[in-house]
Amino acid sequence: AQSVTQLGSHVSVSEGALVLLRCNYSSSVPPYLFWYVQYPNQGLQLLLKYTSAATLVKGINDFEAEFKKSETSFHLTKPSAHMSDAAEYFCAVSDRRLGNQGGKLIFGQGTELSVKP
Amino acid sequence: IAGITQAPTSQILAAGRRMTLRCTQDMRHNAMYWYRQDLGLGLRLIHYSNTAGTTGKGEVPDGYSVSRANTDDFPLTLASAVPSQTSVYFCASSDSTGFSSGANVLTFGAGSRLTVL
Repeated sequence: AQSVTQLGSHVSVSEGALVLLRCNYSSSVPPYLFWYVQYPNQGLQLLLKYTSAATLVKGINDFEAEFKKSETSFHLTKPSAHMSDAAEYFCAVSDRRLGNQGGKLIFGQGTELSVKP
Repeated sequence: IAGITQAPTSQILAAGRRMTLRCTQDMRHNAMYWYRQDLGLGLRLIHYSNTAGTTGKGEVPDGYSVSRANTDDFPLTLASAVPSQTSVYFCASSDSTGFSSGANVLTFGAGSRLTVL
């Protein structure tokens, strides 16, 4: 069964600093990997996804993530943090396509990102 | 506006009562899911449905039931609510039949906050 571990339940950065949110996964087959963001009192929105194409995936709002098979990692980065990036971020894994192939998305515990002025 | 509608937004419920959380999507997605979100635990899958007429158990199915009579609706029922079911519940859907940018990703509703006393 697949699983996800997000290192650090809370990360704090200064505005303009690099954002690095860590995610390690476990999967017996090549995984599908996702990052979602949740702003306060809202549902989750997709940031980016990896589906076995390019290992460096670019998402919305200048976020990107790199799939590293040897490290079983899918860390999320952004070169320069904005105040509006403050939110909770979730890494998720599936071992197959969602829906009729039976894929189910398994989420990590989440990392809360704070951005200081 | 296309998307997922969840109701109620918030509910306080006495232990032992029956409760149904409603979820409707208008995107004609084939797959639908119910997650619960708890602090420090991220999102955990309760039940899912890959297509109308079929359902399956997720990570934490005990105490919950679902039905999928048609493509659009996926209600979640708590037959006899207990305080440990206090949580925020998210419904999500996925289109697994296409290859657009929206395929193979989860679209989330805004959530239903349930408090069981």
